Order: sequence, then C-alpha cells, then structure tokens
Amino acid sequence: KNQVEQSPQSLIILEGKNCTLQCNYTVSPFSNLRWYKQDTGRGPVSLTIMTFSENTKSNGRYTATLDADTKQSSLHITASQLSDSASYICVVSAVNSGNTPLVFGKGTRLSVIA
Amino acid sequence: DTEVTQTPKHLVMGMTNKKSLKCEQHMGHRAMYWYKQKAKKPPELMFVYSYEKLSINESVPSRFSPECPNSSLLNLHLHALQPEDSALYLCASSRSVSGPANYGYTFGSGTRLTVV
Repeated sequence: KNQVEQSPQSLIILEGKNCTLQCNYTVSPFSNLRWYKQDTGRGPVSLTIMTFSENTKSNGRYTATLDADTKQSSLHITASQLSDSASYICVVSAVNSGNTPLVFGKGTRLSVIA
Repeated sequence: DTEVTQTPKHLVMGMTNKKSLKCEQHMGHRAMYWYKQKAKKPPELMFVYSYEKLSINESVPSRFSPECPNSSLLNLHLHALQPEDSALYLCASSRSVSGPANYGYTFGSGTRLTVV
C-alpha cells in the first residue's frame, strides 16, 4: 500500500534555531516527492519538488534531501523565523498513478517561538 | 499568472442552503481537483477533472456536485450539507493528471466552509 509517514508529528523550536523534518515513503514506482508548507486555514504552498535523480534541492532557508534507495526524505530549515510556524507536508507521487497521483503524509506541525 | 484562485475565502451556510465554491486558474492546466481537509488532517481527494471531464469521484455524497464549465474554471455546488461537512475545501490544478515531475501541481488558498 502506498504510504507516506512523517516525523515528528509536532515540533517546537526557538527562533533562529535549525530543525529537520523527516519523511519515509513506500510509494512505488516513485515519480517525485514534494514538500509543502501549509499555514492554518490556508492552502499548501510548494517548497521543493525532487525526482528520483535529485539528492538535494534548496529554496532559500529550506533544503530538502532525498534518498531514493532508502525511500527517505528530509526537510532542513535554517535560522528559523516566527513565520515558519506552519504544517509541513510531504507528498509523494507514483509513476503512471492515473487520476490519484498524490499520496499525502499527515504533516509535521512546527511552532517557532521567540 | 501562476496561481489558483478560490472564492469565497470563507462561507457560512445553513443545512437547507444552496451555495457554490469557485476555482479559477489561467496556467493552461488541463487537470483540476477538489480536496476536502479537516483540521490537523491531510487533504482528501474528492474529484478529479481531466480535460473538462470528470474522471474520478472518490465516493463523494451527491450533496456535493462538481462542474467544470471550461478548462480554466471549476465549481463545487453544495446543497443540503451537514455540519460534519464543515472543512477547508481546496482546489488544485496541474498540467495533466499523470506524467513526470514538475507538472506544476498548484493548490489554491482554500475556502473555509462552516455548515450551521
């Protein structure tokens, strides 16, 4: 069964600190992996998207890594800001998955405090 | 234009009301989606339109009725909803339903629906 597991479920960090969020998946055959940031009550906003051949991709203070062999991804946030407080969702797409292309993780709820 | 626009942002409706949610994109995407998201849960797929034709209905109750009048617009008509239907309704679009990466899968900001 195609699944995406994220950890931790929630995380509280001090402003300015770094943090790393984890994503493990069993989606097969793998097409791509996306990290989204979702503020409460708002739609998800794409941070990064990686294909099988990409190991790392950065978007400002966000850096995502992908290990397609172990089926693991991480999202590293550097020098966190209060505005980083949100849910971070890992989403994996399968090749030729027809009309239901995306498998969502349950998200990590990040709270950045002063 | 790289956005998916949803209106209204907030909607409160009674159980006997009829209302519609609207979604619009001008990126030339030919696949459009409706999702329902409850608090602290991931989005759940409701409907998929591919080239203006309904291709997936994830066993959604008939009180939700989707419509795709053209390639840029997607509506969700609501009738006789229940309080448990209160949720964030998200629209998304992509260049096509299937294919390789970077097909521009984009979400709208959502409509916060409250059924009273």
